[in-house]
Amino acid sequence: DAGVIQSPRHEVTEMGQEVTLRCKPISGHNSLFWYRQTMMRGLELLIYFNNNVPIDDSGMPEDRFSAKMPNASFSTLKIQPSEPRDSAVYFCASSLKSEQFFGPGTRLTVL
Amino acid sequence: GENVEQHPSTLSVQEGDSAVIKCTYSDSASNYFPWYKQELGKGPQLIIDIRSNVGEKKDQRIAVTLNKTAKHFSLHITETQPEDSAVYFCAASRGTSYDKVIFGPGTSLSVIP
Repeated sequence: DAGVIQSPRHEVTEMGQEVTLRCKPISGHNSLFWYRQTMMRGLELLIYFNNNVPIDDSGMPEDRFSAKMPNASFSTLKIQPSEPRDSAVYFCASSLKSEQFFGPGTRLTVL
Repeated sequence: GENVEQHPSTLSVQEGDSAVIKCTYSDSASNYFPWYKQELGKGPQLIIDIRSNVGEKKDQRIAVTLNKTAKHFSLHITETQPEDSAVYFCAASRGTSYDKVIFGPGTSLSVIP
């Protein structure tokens, strides 16, 4: 298995632009998690899905952030409009039981 | 909700020495405690985990201990090697894929050759 796949790996954009991050979980996994990692705040859970249904989005910082999981093999995290404080590494992880498998992350820089 | 604290935030040890990282949690319903290792430029990777019905678990040079009464758990790395240098995260969860995992703030471990 290729593991969790995220794209793009790096994204540089200007403030106000829309950013879409993509994730393909490991086949057969039924839970998917989006995290944000910064030096100041560490690893923060933004939202997670179970069987494609959002279970807890209390970590989503504000309405500019949205996430979807249209099917078991694909999820997106969208930021619109983006702001410089959104600059971070965004990780997607998937799991079947307890262990979460993380993707390589997307490094987002908003200028 | 669950809160996980982790100490120390940075740790430097000589190659061959032991390293210990300690964590506390707040939710008495948590029963699954994984440890993740994050190398530079990569996502975190599970290295060992422990459930609340076990007090200690060992895997080669890595061991975890759990004191559920005190809500403490620890990671012990013996005979450290330079490749052990990374950021280590402890975490706590109620233990199913339906439950979220709350991560500690991380410990940056440096093993000096």
